[in-house]
Amino acid sequence: DAGVIQSPRHEVTEMGQEVTLRCKPISGHDYLFWYRQTMMRGLELLIYFNNNVPIDDSGMPEDRFSAKMPNASFSTLKIQPSEPRDSAVYFCASSDRDRGGNTEAFFGQGTRLTVV
Amino acid sequence: AQKITQTQPGMFVQEKEAVTLDCTYDTSDQSYGLFWYKQPSSGEMIFLIYQGSYDEQNATEGRYSLNFQKARKSANLVISASQLGDSAMYFCAMRDSGQNFVFGPGTRLSVLP
Repeated sequence: DAGVIQSPRHEVTEMGQEVTLRCKPISGHDYLFWYRQTMMRGLELLIYFNNNVPIDDSGMPEDRFSAKMPNASFSTLKIQPSEPRDSAVYFCASSDRDRGGNTEAFFGQGTRLTVV
Repeated sequence: AQKITQTQPGMFVQEKEAVTLDCTYDTSDQSYGLFWYKQPSSGEMIFLIYQGSYDEQNATEGRYSLNFQKARKSANLVISASQLGDSAMYFCAMRDSGQNFVFGPGTRLSVLP
């Protein structure tokens, strides 16, 4: 497996524009996590899915953010409209269920978003 | 709610020496997992080591070991024989029965030649 794949790797957009980040999890993993990383706030969990269903979106900063997982192999994180304070690295990670063994989260390479 | 605390924003260690990175956690669950990740300057997140809450022995993976003290709710990472390539951010994380995966604020380790 190629691992968790995120696209694009870098995104520069103007304030007010819509931004869509994409993620392909590892095949067979039934958990998918979206994180945002900034210097000020560290690594924040935004939302996570189990079997394509959103379980906890309490970390989503505001209504401008939305995430979907239409099938087991694809998820999107959308920001509309984008603002400069959304500039960050966004990570997607996937995992199998923790069955009492070693079930770490596997991370994608991240998307570096810059909103100007 | 889960919470992970890493009280050391930055640490220095001399090459070839051992270093301990602190992590404490808070959860009301009996079953949970503790993880450590490394993030070098290139940005990727690299899994290092795992400890289950019911594991009686401390986990070890090569030069990494996890000092697990359940009663104190601590899961410190010990890196032995530090190398220059160990310079990075290190994150402690926890996964509880809700399957949530939460990270601490991280510790930046600098290995000095």
